[in-house]
Parts: sequence; structure tokens; C-alpha cells
Amino acid sequence: AQSVTQLDSQVPVFEEAPVELRCNYSSSVSVYLFWYVQYPNQGLQLLLKYLSGSTLVESINGFEAEFNKSQTSFHLRKPSVHISDTAEYFCAASGSARQLTFGSGTQLTVLP
Amino acid sequence: NAGVTQTPKFRVLKTGQSMTLLCAQDMNHEYMYWYRQDPGMGLRLIHYSVGEGTTAKGEVPDGYNVSRLKKQNFLLGLESAAPSQTSVYFCASSYVLSTDTQYFGPGTRLTVL
Repeated sequence: AQSVTQLDSQVPVFEEAPVELRCNYSSSVSVYLFWYVQYPNQGLQLLLKYLSGSTLVESINGFEAEFNKSQTSFHLRKPSVHISDTAEYFCAASGSARQLTFGSGTQLTVLP
Repeated sequence: NAGVTQTPKFRVLKTGQSMTLLCAQDMNHEYMYWYRQDPGMGLRLIHYSVGEGTTAKGEVPDGYNVSRLKKQNFLLGLESAAPSQTSVYFCASSYVLSTDTQYFGPGTRLTVL
């Protein structure tokens, strides 16, 4: 079964600074990778996903993630964060079991 | 287009009581899921369904039952609630089991005293 590790439970960062949220997954022959975002008191929403092809995937609000097979990582980055990016971010993976396995989440707090 | 809806939004139960959580989706999705979210543990899959009339166990199925009598509805039941089932419960749905986006409901916050 897949396992997903998010290395940081809390990441505080000042507004307009860059941020990286780290995610590692257990190795699998084929794997699909996702980042979901959860704003306070809401359900999760898809931010971006990697299925195949280009290893760099982007979201519409400036986030990007790079699939690194050799390091089994799928870190999420944004060059300049806004207050509105404050949320909890979940990395997830799907492999041969065809179920999504979620990481424990990273709380991103953007400070003014 | 309401997406995925869940009822109720909040519920407090006493140990041993039973209840049913209802999830409804209007996107004609085949696949539906129930997760629980606990602090520091992310989301864990309880049960899922690959179509009307079918259900399967996820990672943490004990103490829960589910039914999918209609394609658009997925019910989660607790027959005898325990304090360990205090959690936030999320329903989700998708077209494809592994590669497609899952669409989540707003959640149900359940407290078992």
C-alpha cells in the first residue's frame, strides 16, 4: 500500500515570501500524485495533480509541484504567497490499490 | 449544481447511540467515498463504492456500515457510537477510482460523549 509523508506539520511564512511544502511517497511502479487544499471549515479542493508526462505541474493560483521519481517526492512551491493562501494542504497518492492515500497535512499560515 | 452535500453538519451523540450520515452528489459520479479526518492524521478512508449497490472496505471500516441504494446517495451508519468515533467525516465522489479528481462535501462534525 502507498504511504505519504508530509515532513512539516506547520509552516509559517510572511506575505510575499516563497514557500515549499514537502511531500514524499513510497515507491511504486506507477503512481498518481495530488495536492489538495482545505480552507477553514470547508471540504478539500483539488489544487493540482500529476498523472503522467511533464514532471512540473501548475495550478491556476500560482502553485506548482514537481514529480521527482528518483527522490520519490512531490513538493509544492509558490514563489510569493498571499494572506489568502492560509489553509491546510494535503498531499495524496494513488497507486496499484486504486485508493487515495493522504498525508497528515501541512498547515500553511501566511503572516502580514 | 450543488456538487457534494452532507447532512447533518454537526451532531452530538451519547455512547451507544446510532445515527446515519447522508451524502448526496449531483454530478453523476460512479465512485463515492467516506473519510474521517482526525488531527495530525490526515484523511483515512472508511468505505467506498464503485457503483450503485456496491460497497467496499477502506483503511478504517470497523464500527461503520454503508449503503449505496441510489447512484447519487451514499449513507454512512454508526450502529453503536463510541468516543473514538469523534471526528470530522467527509464524503467525496469522482468519475474514476484512482486518477480523477475527488470532489468533497463540506463535512460533518460528530462528537460522541
